[in-house]
Amino acid sequence: GNSVTQMEGPVTLSEEAFLTINCTYTATGYPSLFWYVQYPGEGLQLLLKATKADDKGSNKGFEATYRKETTSFHLEKGSVQVSDSAVYFCALSSLTGNQFYFGTGTSLTVIP
Amino acid sequence: NAGVTQTPKFRILKIGQSMTLQCTQDMNHNYMYWYRQDPGMGLKLIYYSVGAGITDKGEVPNGYNVSRSTTEDFPLRLELAAPSQTSVYFCASSYSGGGAGGELFFGEGSRLTVL
Repeated sequence: GNSVTQMEGPVTLSEEAFLTINCTYTATGYPSLFWYVQYPGEGLQLLLKATKADDKGSNKGFEATYRKETTSFHLEKGSVQVSDSAVYFCALSSLTGNQFYFGTGTSLTVIP
Repeated sequence: NAGVTQTPKFRILKIGQSMTLQCTQDMNHNYMYWYRQDPGMGLKLIYYSVGAGITDKGEVPNGYNVSRSTTEDFPLRLELAAPSQTSVYFCASSYSGGGAGGELFFGEGSRLTVL
């Protein structure tokens, strides 16, 4: 079946630190992969995506590369800011595209 | 731009009561979804729809019902509320689903407490 496993939190970093949140997946075929972000009190919003192997998604300084050989889609940012404090969800879409599967979320807190 | 609108934002129910969570989108999206979010558990799919008149079960459909009579609306019905249904509920929509990298657009969520 389809599933997503992501790094447990919470994660606390100082401003300007390097961020990595690990995400691995199990899926049939070649799913599309996503990172969503949820700010306090809000719904989820798309942060970045990749639709095929070796694609790199990027947005707001965040990056993630679709690695088929390791079934991974790790989220990275070189220098985090206080405003990046949020919960980050890794997700994949099923082969038919009808369903999305989410990881459990990783809470990030960035302190000044 | 309204996007995906959910009502109510907060609701307290007594055990055994029923209610409907409303969801409307104004983006003409074919695909609509209901998720519940429990602490530390991520999002679980309750029901989804690929178009008006078509609905299907997700991972956790028990205790819920849906209908999709129009493209815009996808209400979620809770019958005989139980404490296990205490959660935050999110409605989402997508133009093409995820197969072509289609994005999910989420509402702001509805926090439901069953006492």
